[in-house]
Amino acid sequence: KNEVEQSPQNLTAQEGEFITINCSYSVGISALHWLQQHPGGGIVSLFMLSSGKKKHGRLIATINIQEKHSSLHITASHPRDSAVYICAVNSGGSNYKLTFGKGTLLTVNP
Amino acid sequence: NAGVTQTPKFQVLKTGQSMTLQCAQDMNHNSMYWYRQDPGMGLRLIYYSASEGTTDKGEVPNGYNVSRLNKREFSLRLESAAPSQTSVYFCASGGTVEQPQHFGDGTRLSIL
Repeated sequence: KNEVEQSPQNLTAQEGEFITINCSYSVGISALHWLQQHPGGGIVSLFMLSSGKKKHGRLIATINIQEKHSSLHITASHPRDSAVYICAVNSGGSNYKLTFGKGTLLTVNP
Repeated sequence: NAGVTQTPKFQVLKTGQSMTLQCAQDMNHNSMYWYRQDPGMGLRLIYYSASEGTTDKGEVPNGYNVSRLNKREFSLRLESAAPSQTSVYFCASGGTVEQPQHFGDGTRLSIL
């Protein structure tokens, strides 16, 4: 079973700060996902990565396959970025099952 | 653009009662999933269905049953609810090497 570890568990920032959330996994993967969940809300997919780097607006996701590590960066953070960010990996196989990290609770204060 | 629709959104049950959580997707996905989310833990897979007519156990299947009624619908049943099943339940569909899974808004279930 693939173990997925996220750090930090909780993160508080001031508006405008640069944010980094980390994710490490234990065995090989076919893809890594970053998901966002607002308080009391549903879960939406932000990024799906198998290599390199992706950017969407102020969000950047990177992955290092050799080191089994991914980072999610938020530039110029805003209070509306406050949410739980979840890392999930798919280890391949015939069924696209995901293993999830416990999530990082981000609070951005104005 | 409904995506994945879960009903109900909230439910309170007494221990021993039964209920069915409904999930429907309109994206023509073959695979569907039921997860539970508990404080301090990551999402855990209860059951999944790789295609219409098939279902398989996930990580935490005890106390639950599922039915893949057709390609669109995948229901989760609690036959005799227990307080340990108090959780937020998410249904998801899809997921391939090129496309992520799509999640419903969740069902918040409390069992007293």
